[in-house]
Amino acid sequence: DSGVTQTPKHLITATGQRVTLRCSPRSGDLSVYWYQQSLDQGLQFLIQYYNGEERAKGNILERFSAQQFPDLHSELNLSSLELGDSALYFCASSVAVGTGFGETQYFGPGTRLLVL
Amino acid sequence: AQTVTQSQPEMSVQEAETVTLSCTYDTSESDYYLFWYKQPPSRQMILVIRQEAYKQQNATENRFSVNFQKAAKSFSLKISDSQLGDAAMYFCAYYYGGSQGNLIFGKGTKLSVKP
Repeated sequence: DSGVTQTPKHLITATGQRVTLRCSPRSGDLSVYWYQQSLDQGLQFLIQYYNGEERAKGNILERFSAQQFPDLHSELNLSSLELGDSALYFCASSVAVGTGFGETQYFGPGTRLLVL
Repeated sequence: AQTVTQSQPEMSVQEAETVTLSCTYDTSESDYYLFWYKQPPSRQMILVIRQEAYKQQNATENRFSVNFQKAAKSFSLKISDSQLGDAAMYFCAYYYGGSQGNLIFGKGTKLSVKP
């Protein structure tokens, strides 16, 4: 158990719908990352938050958005869902950014999204 | 842009034997970090081992060790005394940090362990 929690574990929805994925980082971790794992694209970085602020964006679609709340949990919102959005969505957390120690990211169990 | 390449899509090893998974990466940075993550059938991403580029000594975690060749930009994972529970996808990952802290992953190597 990494200490990172994600809910829900599974999500089945229809095209055009909107869903919210939730992540709670490890105690004390300020950084949260979202990754998407699909068969054709592999593991891709979506977005990073640090202490409530967006720090970096990767290959995140405009239909997707995220935020990190004062209690440090994060939500990833996926809207106007398409079949191709079906994937495993991971949240990871690390202690901080730019500490010079090299952050080790611990992953949650993931949310499996299936868009029908 | 940094890239990570795992040239072996699949590998197989006999139980109790040793296997080495390959990883190469491309970067112009001198200070970075490399990781191996394991993803078993449960799909959980589990950290196996980590290496700081400024350290010449290869990292070791129990039966797992790495061969880090900085000049060659190579970072292989050696699994000794392979066990059935080692069967999984193994991902090599690069981390630079700076203004972004995200990991860059290779496409993975699927390891099978034969009893």
